[in-house]
Amino acid sequence: DSGVTQTPKHLITATGQRVTLRCSPRSGDLSVYWYQQSLDQGLQFLIHYYNGEERAKGNILERFSAQQFPDLHSELNLSSLELGDSALYFCASSVGGTSSNEQFFGPGTRLTVL
Amino acid sequence: GENVEQHPSTLSVQEGDSAVIKCTYSDSASNYFPWYKQELGKRPQLIIDIRSNVGEKKDQRIAVTLNKTAKHFSLHITETQPEDSAVYFCAAITSGGSYIPTFGRGTSLIVHP
Repeated sequence: DSGVTQTPKHLITATGQRVTLRCSPRSGDLSVYWYQQSLDQGLQFLIHYYNGEERAKGNILERFSAQQFPDLHSELNLSSLELGDSALYFCASSVGGTSSNEQFFGPGTRLTVL
Repeated sequence: GENVEQHPSTLSVQEGDSAVIKCTYSDSASNYFPWYKQELGKRPQLIIDIRSNVGEKKDQRIAVTLNKTAKHFSLHITETQPEDSAVYFCAAITSGGSYIPTFGRGTSLIVHP
């Protein structure tokens, strides 16, 4: 157990819908990272937040947004869902805000869009 | 942007053999290279990493080498065991103000008892 929690574990929804994925970092970690893992695209970095502020954006679609709250938990919002958004979504946390800190991954949320 | 190529996509070895996975990257500004192990249905876990000011790093049966000139780095696993069976991902990262990792497509390592 990495200490990073993600809810829900599984999510099944329909095209066009909107969902929210939640992540709670390890105690003491200030950074949260979001990743998408699909069979055809592999592991893709989406976005990084550090202590409530956006630090870096990767291949995140405009339909997706994220935020990190004062208690450091983070939410990833996915809207106007498409079949291709079906994937495993991981969050990870680290102590600091740069790559010099080891990242700890959560168990993931499996999203299925029907 | 950065591009990371990882080979092979599948690697099958006998228990006790060595396994080598190679990654090449394109951005000379990348300076941090972690390796992750992901067992089926589980989360990725960092197993070893290397920074651009180091050529080699070892941790028990696992080692990573980096050739900055050629822009490639490799994961070496010696005395493989069935529990080493998993998908291994490499990544290249340009550290500094931002953290933007680019991952390889993964290598499925199968260790036969």
